[in-house]
Amino acid sequence: EPEVTQTPSHQVTQMGQEVILRCVPISNHLYFYWYRQILGQKVEFLVSFYNNEISEKSEIFDDQFSVERPDGSNFTLKIRSTKLEDSAMYFCAQWGIQGYTFGSGTRLTVV
Amino acid sequence: GNSVTQMEGPVTLSEEAFLTINCTYTATGYPSLFWYVQYPGEGLQLLLKATKADDKGSNKGFEATYRKETTSFHLEKGSVQVSDSAVYFCASNTGNQFYFGTGTSLTVIP
Repeated sequence: EPEVTQTPSHQVTQMGQEVILRCVPISNHLYFYWYRQILGQKVEFLVSFYNNEISEKSEIFDDQFSVERPDGSNFTLKIRSTKLEDSAMYFCAQWGIQGYTFGSGTRLTVV
Repeated sequence: GNSVTQMEGPVTLSEEAFLTINCTYTATGYPSLFWYVQYPGEGLQLLLKATKADDKGSNKGFEATYRKETTSFHLEKGSVQVSDSAVYFCASNTGNQFYFGTGTSLTVIP
C-alpha cells in the first residue's frame, strides 16, 4: 500500500496563530480528504477535495479552515487563528486507483 | 444516515486469549467496511476490509466478516499477542467519506 506523507509530524502553536498542514500527493490519486481526531475521540471527517474544489465538508469545517492544492503540489489544510480546541491529530487521506490511503498524521497542539 | 458503532473499551486481555471487538453500522446504500489500527503515536493503518456482503477480510491473524443481515463487521483474532496492543477503529465507506467508530483500545498483557 502506498504511503501518504504528512508534514510536519508534530506542530505546537500559540492560540491565535495560523498553521498550515501539508500532505504530499500520491501519483494518480485524485481525491483528497482531511480528517481530525481529538485525543480519545473518534476520527471525524472535515473536507473532501477534487479537481481543485471542495466537494463536501462537515459542520466542523467552518470559515476558520481552508484547503488548497496549488498547481498540483502539496494538499494543504490551513487553520486561521487557532483555538485550544483545535488541538488534535489531523489525517490526510487520498483516493485513487490503488484505493484509499491515510497519512501518518500531524499532531497539532495549540497552547 | 451513515454511522458506525463499536464496542467501548478499553479491553485488556492476556496473551493468547481470544479477541472480539463488535462493530455495527448503519448506511444508505451498500458500504465497504474496514478495520483500521492505530499504534501509539502513529497514524491509521488499514488492517482489513470487505467490500460486499459475506466477504471476509483477514490480515495478521485478524478476521472480520461482512454480515448484511445483522449489519455487523466484528473483528476477531484467535490468539492475541502483546504486539497487538493498539486502538482499533471500525469504519464504513460509501463513496466520498469514511465514517469511523469511536475506537476500542486493546491492551494485551504477557
